Amino acid sequence: GEDVEQSLFLSVREGDSSVINCTYTDSSSTYLYWYKQEPGAGLQLLTYIFSNMDMKQDQRLTVLLNKKDKHLSLRIADTQTGDSAIYFCAERGYQKVTFGTGTKLQVIP
Amino acid sequence: DAGVIQSPRHEVTEMGQEVTLRCKPISGHDYLFWYRQTMMRGLELLIYFNNNVPIDDSGMPEDRFSAKMPNASFSTLKIQPSEPRDSAVYFCASSAEPQPQHFGDGTRLSIL
Repeated sequence: GEDVEQSLFLSVREGDSSVINCTYTDSSSTYLYWYKQEPGAGLQLLTYIFSNMDMKQDQRLTVLLNKKDKHLSLRIADTQTGDSAIYFCAERGYQKVTFGTGTKLQVIP
Repeated sequence: DAGVIQSPRHEVTEMGQEVTLRCKPISGHDYLFWYRQTMMRGLELLIYFNNNVPIDDSGMPEDRFSAKMPNASFSTLKIQPSEPRDSAVYFCASSAEPQPQHFGDGTRLSIL
C-alpha cells in the first residue's frame, strides 16, 4: 500500500529556518498536503501543492516537490516559538489520502 | 464558517461501557472520515463515508467499533463494549473533493 515517511523530530533555534522532509511511494499522487497540529487540537491545513508544481510559496512557508524522487519538503522561514507543533505530510492518491507519522518541531528560544 | 464539530471533547468512562462519539461535518462536504490517533500508532483511518454511504471500513479495528451516518450533517462512532486499549484521540474530518480534509478538534477518550 501507499506509504508516507517523515522524521520524527526536529529542533531549531528561534529565527532560523526549519526544513521538514517527507517521502512518499504513491506515483499517482495528485495533491500533497502539509498539516499542523498544536497540542490538544486537530490537524490544521497549512498549505498544499498540486503534483504538477515544483514549488509553492505562502508567506513564511515554502513547499518544494521533487516528483521524480517522491520527496516533499516544507520550509518555514524565521521560525517562531508559535511554530512549535507536529507537522504532518499527506498525499492524495486514488480515492484516498495517506498521512505520514508527523514531525515534531521544537523551537528553542 | 463553522468547522467540523465533534462532541464530546473529552470522555472518561469505565471499561465495558458503550461510548458514542459524534461529528457534524462542514455543510456541503460529501466525504466524512473517522481517524484515531495514539502515540504508538500515529494517525489511523478507521472508516470513511461518501454521500452518507460507508466506502471503506477496513481500518475499523474490531466488531466492537461501528460507525453510522444517518444524514449529511451527522455521524457517530460507537464502541461497545469499550476497552482500555481504545483510549486515544478520535478525529472526524470532512471534505468536498478534491479539496483537502478539514479536521475537528477531536474527542479525547479515556477508558479506565
